Amino acid sequence: DQQVKQNSPSLSVQEGRISILNCDYTNSMFDYFLWYKKYPAEGPTFLISISSIKDKNEDGRFTVFLNKSAKHLSLHIVPSQPGDSAVYFCAASSSNSGYALNFGKGTSLLVTP
Amino acid sequence: DAGVIQSPRHEVTEMGQEVTLRCKPISGHNSLFWYRQTMMRGLELLIYFNNNVPIDDSGMPEDRFSAKMPNASFSTLKIQPSEPRDSAVYFCASSSGLSGANVLTFGAGSRLTVL
Repeated sequence: DQQVKQNSPSLSVQEGRISILNCDYTNSMFDYFLWYKKYPAEGPTFLISISSIKDKNEDGRFTVFLNKSAKHLSLHIVPSQPGDSAVYFCAASSSNSGYALNFGKGTSLLVTP
Repeated sequence: DAGVIQSPRHEVTEMGQEVTLRCKPISGHNSLFWYRQTMMRGLELLIYFNNNVPIDDSGMPEDRFSAKMPNASFSTLKIQPSEPRDSAVYFCASSSGLSGANVLTFGAGSRLTVL
């Protein structure tokens, strides 16, 4: 049963515009959320995270928003660059599962010049 | 640091053969995770270790799958006998502990094709 869901398999955005990637979760015990980025033939790499006690975390062009009541988080990339084209995975963890990451299926982002 | 090292990067084998995937975690990391990526199921956690001890293997699909971590610098994932449905990319990841703030660092993956 998929506890972390990314309902958009793909997204296309023009360079310079905002990219918004969405993620929903079902397990209310999740207390830590992360975004990973993956290029072809490479492993996922960590991008940004947020704990459940916050509703926003920002790192340069990347901002993650958390809405606990809606069990929803989103990743905003502003401005989008062609090098941001990759698959983005949302992940969540909880203390009662040893903080092992549960991943969504990913959203493939294409940033066009 | 060289990061998490996985081998082989690619493996093609025939149904029924034994497959062994290897992982060297980042030095000093004491938690190690094995994930499998398929189109249908995405990234699924198979098993994870803390201080070389298996903590949760509930994601291991069947008894044909086994994983070991004989020391802090080496882990193996073995499939015996392999089946075509085992075809996937297998990722190993390590972290410096088990907490929300600890970030998993992934290897480049081992792409397995079972004919």
